[in-house]
Amino acid sequence: DAGITQSPRYKITETGRQVTLMCHQTWSHSYMFWYRQDLGHGLRLIYYSAAADITDKGEVPDGYVVSRSKTENFPLTLESATRSQTSVYFCATRGGNTIYFGEGSWLTVV
Amino acid sequence: QQQVKQSPQSLIVQKGGISIINCAYENTAFDYFPWYQQFPGKGPALLIAIRPDVSEKKEGRFTISFNKSAKQFSLHIMDSQPGDSATYFCAASNVETSGSRLTFGEGTQLTVNP
Repeated sequence: DAGITQSPRYKITETGRQVTLMCHQTWSHSYMFWYRQDLGHGLRLIYYSAAADITDKGEVPDGYVVSRSKTENFPLTLESATRSQTSVYFCATRGGNTIYFGEGSWLTVV
Repeated sequence: QQQVKQSPQSLIVQKGGISIINCAYENTAFDYFPWYQQFPGKGPALLIAIRPDVSEKKEGRFTISFNKSAKQFSLHIMDSQPGDSATYFCAASNVETSGSRLTFGEGTQLTVNP
């Protein structure tokens, strides 16, 4: 039982390209989140979703798009990647008061 | 605006020693304060959490101390072990109004020397 699966785990892309990071959960948790982790900034919330077809901006949403057509999937798209979006991206779900994180997607924009 | 400030950024402790990491928050509406542990290459995982109605919570070697008036909380790791070497994040949220959207501190990289 993987819980949260993120793909790809590692990706290198070029500036200006569109990139989609996938997130799949097996728990049917209502809430899902996307965080980015950068040295010196901890984890910052990009977008979150309370349920299918309900999404909202977090702390750093600019340059990102999300969708949630099914409860179990919450993809994050970088419409036109920039070097400042080089980061580790974590998908997460909420079960009770606990936030569960995936293993992360390492994205490098060159 | 950084609503949760964490210190120190890095900490080196000898095996058997006590590790102490501190956090301060600004938003008095926060009512849930978890600590997350992250090993290299992995996602953060919940370690221990506290609500503001108690001043201390202990789970094994890990203790959260909470000071509501000072808006501060800290993680104490007793008898620190090399396996505790990881990055630790404090966080805060308001469970009712924010859907458990966590605001994280910047993280503390703990190294426990054998």
